[in-house]
Amino acid sequence: RKEVEQDPGPFNVPEGATVAFNCTYSNSASQSFFWYRQDCRKEPKLLMSVYSSGNEDGRFTAQLNRASQYISLLIRDSKLSDSATYLCVVLNTGGFKTIFGAGTRLFVKA
Amino acid sequence: DAGVIQSPRHEVTEMGQEVTLRCKPISGHNSLFWYRQTMMRGLELLIYFNNNVPIDDSGMPEDRFSAKMPNASFSTLKIQPSEPRDSAVYFCASSLVSFQYFGPGTRLTVT
Repeated sequence: RKEVEQDPGPFNVPEGATVAFNCTYSNSASQSFFWYRQDCRKEPKLLMSVYSSGNEDGRFTAQLNRASQYISLLIRDSKLSDSATYLCVVLNTGGFKTIFGAGTRLFVKA
Repeated sequence: DAGVIQSPRHEVTEMGQEVTLRCKPISGHNSLFWYRQTMMRGLELLIYFNNNVPIDDSGMPEDRFSAKMPNASFSTLKIQPSEPRDSAVYFCASSLVSFQYFGPGTRLTVT
């Protein structure tokens, strides 16, 4: 089993749709969680951190469920510019080793 | 802020040649990471350093790969000899606390 698993995708959605990505992690001692975004032929960039209380940044909402070892990302009112690969990221105990999920590709169409 | 700087951005070389990839982390960051990304395997962590010391190199695929960090502002990833299966995008990232900032990557093609 992979340490971090994501929805395989791709997700093809129309503009304005709401889309949700899921991610599970296997190490219960994991301490920090993030969503990164990677555009085609570009480097991954931090989208947002994920907190136990849930956090929101504009159209993006991230949730963490430690009991179920589950992370989610919700995108509301999808834009064409949201088309990218979204990577779930887990930072394990010790603060150094970062595990990236395989990513979920999103295509937003007009 | 210049961000993480990597060079070269593109490298095309022949099988058997030595390849050296370079990285300058963000000033003040104390952790540095080397990743490899391919369509088949996704993003793989090769090695990471903390305060210039290699902490975990278990992701380095084989002895042909080596990495150094002689000081806080410079790191290299060397492949010798290179093979076609090493073709990938190699990213360097740095961090201070938790999340990492990535460089633009080096696209390596080994023919």
